[in-house]
Amino acid sequence: AQSVTQLDSQVPVFEEAPVELRCNYSSSVSVYLFWYVQYPNQGLQLLLKYLSGSTLVKGINGFEAEFNKSQTSFHLRKPSVHISDTAEYFCAVPGGDDKIIFGKGTRLHILP
Amino acid sequence: NAGVTQTPKFQVLKTGQSMTLQCAQDMNHNSMYWYRQDPGMGLRLIYYSASEGTTDKGEVPNGYNVSRLNKREFSLRLESAAPSQTSVYFCASSVSRRGELFFGEGSRLTVL
Repeated sequence: AQSVTQLDSQVPVFEEAPVELRCNYSSSVSVYLFWYVQYPNQGLQLLLKYLSGSTLVKGINGFEAEFNKSQTSFHLRKPSVHISDTAEYFCAVPGGDDKIIFGKGTRLHILP
Repeated sequence: NAGVTQTPKFQVLKTGQSMTLQCAQDMNHNSMYWYRQDPGMGLRLIYYSASEGTTDKGEVPNGYNVSRLNKREFSLRLESAAPSQTSVYFCASSVSRRGELFFGEGSRLTVL
């Protein structure tokens, strides 16, 4: 069965600095990978997804992620963060049948 | 532009009481899901429904029942609430496991 690991529960970063949020998944025959964002007191919304094709995926709000099959990773990056990026970020993967499995989340704290 | 609608948004129960969380989507999606979100645990799948008339257990189904009433509606029932079920519950829907999950705004449940 598929699983996903987010290695960092919290990441503090200064405003306008770059950030990387890490995600590793267990290997499978076919891989679809997702990043979702949850702003305070809201539901989750899709940030970006990898289904096939180019390993570099661009999403909303200037985020991007790179699918690395050899390292079974799908890390999320942004070159310059803004205070409005303060949120919790979740990596997700299909878990077999129609299940979607989420990582435990990474809280991004933007420091002034 | 409703998307996924959950009711109620807030509920306080006493131990042993029962209640049903309602979820409806207007996007003609096949798959629907119920997750719970607890601090440090990410989102954990309770039950899901790949299509009308089918339901399957997720990671944490104990203490819950579900009904896929029709293609639009997927309800979650707590027959005898316990304090361990205090959580934020999210309903979501998608076209398929390759597709984006659309989330409701969440239902905050407290069991005393």
